[in-house]
Amino acid sequence: GAGVSQSPRYKVAKRGQDVALRCDPISGHVSLFWYQQALGQGPEFLTYFQNEAQLDKSGLPSDRFFAERPEGSVSTLKIQRTQQEDSAVYLCASRPPGTSQGAFFGQGTRLTVV
Amino acid sequence: QQQVKQSPQSLIVQKGGISIINCAYENTAFDYFPWYQQFPGKGPALLIAIRPDVSEKKEGRFTISFNKSAKQFSLHIMDSQPGDSATYFCAASNKAAGNKLTFGGGTRVLVKP
Repeated sequence: GAGVSQSPRYKVAKRGQDVALRCDPISGHVSLFWYQQALGQGPEFLTYFQNEAQLDKSGLPSDRFFAERPEGSVSTLKIQRTQQEDSAVYLCASRPPGTSQGAFFGQGTRLTVV
Repeated sequence: QQQVKQSPQSLIVQKGGISIINCAYENTAFDYFPWYQQFPGKGPALLIAIRPDVSEKKEGRFTISFNKSAKQFSLHIMDSQPGDSATYFCAASNKAAGNKLTFGGGTRVLVKP
């Protein structure tokens, strides 16, 4: 596709429910990142993949958060037993090979936990 | 620990004026400094970026000034237009750390017609 695609755009979950957020990166981009953006704040790093390898998951806030990219393209961020503090916009970004360009973001998934 | 500090939090400028946003960083390992523009309901869009071996970069109405010794960089938006009204984020990354971005807190810019 032309850009990073995320689905769903909006998700309302009841507290305690599990959710799965999908990211389809730009074709050919080997690096994929997940960020969490709270209302009125800058995005914060969650985790990073290079192809199918998860190289950095230092930003995941708890063991309820899990991400995967099994075939090195589409990625899924899963949140188990959602809590109200998980409400945020979850952004996915991909980056082309090499060091000359920055990351390109999707439109995000707005998660509201009620 | 906030590694990238951004100011001001908000800015109002008249059409045709200059918008200036400042950022300061702490980690001297950062080697890439992009600015992103974000409209409500959209993801951040890469606007312009600079590397620390350059002191200034200009693309159209947008200019980044970079001061390596002071660990500061700024975005200047010349001839500001109402369509520039958005939230702007500075960021920094380090290739050795996987190029993950550390963002500033954002500046909401409103350009009045």
